[in-house]
Amino acid sequence: ILNVEQSPQSLHVQEGDSTNFTCSFPSSNFYALHWYRWETAKSPEALFVMTLNGDEKKKGRISATLNTKEGYSYLYIKGSQPEDSATYLCAPLGQAGTALIFGKGTTLSVSS
Amino acid sequence: DTAVSQTPKYLVTQMGNDKSIKCEQNLGHDTMYWYKQDSKKFLKIMFSYNNKELIINETVPNRFSPKSPDKAHLNLHINSLELGDSAVYFCASSHPEGPGVTDTQYFGPGTRLTVL
Repeated sequence: ILNVEQSPQSLHVQEGDSTNFTCSFPSSNFYALHWYRWETAKSPEALFVMTLNGDEKKKGRISATLNTKEGYSYLYIKGSQPEDSATYLCAPLGQAGTALIFGKGTTLSVSS
Repeated sequence: DTAVSQTPKYLVTQMGNDKSIKCEQNLGHDTMYWYKQDSKKFLKIMFSYNNKELIINETVPNRFSPKSPDKAHLNLHINSLELGDSAVYFCASSHPEGPGVTDTQYFGPGTRLTVL
């Protein structure tokens, strides 16, 4: 089972601030990395799937980068809005056909 | 149309009872999962089924038994419910997107189980 760490555990920013958080995973055993967004009282929704070292994905104001050699991924949110408030989960996949092992998430709160 | 649905949404029951949670997906996916969200809101895999066959069974009590009557359904049956079983249970499904398995998972709305 992969050891996944996300930091910070929680984050509070003002509307318009840009922010980023980290997902760390063992670099020796990597197949793919998933990012999910989980709003309170809803179910997790997929943001990105990343597989290659140096991958960069973008969806609107949210983007992510991947470094498989050092075992981390960053998620960036540009110009945070209150609707970005959610828990952001990362889940590395160590090999094909295995289940996602989710980190404990970073909970983002954006104040207007 | 709901892609992954779960019933019931809320389930309140007494200790010692046996209960089931149903999950259905209309996405044509091959693989379905059960996750448990614990009291610290940590999402942990319980079971995974691929084409009606169990492929992952994490360390869960054998009071929990998944049943997959067909590819579109994965039900979770729990015997002799205990207080510690109180949690939100999420069903999910996925389909391989290529030769490897980097498949995105689609989650149901969750079932909040409360054991009194």
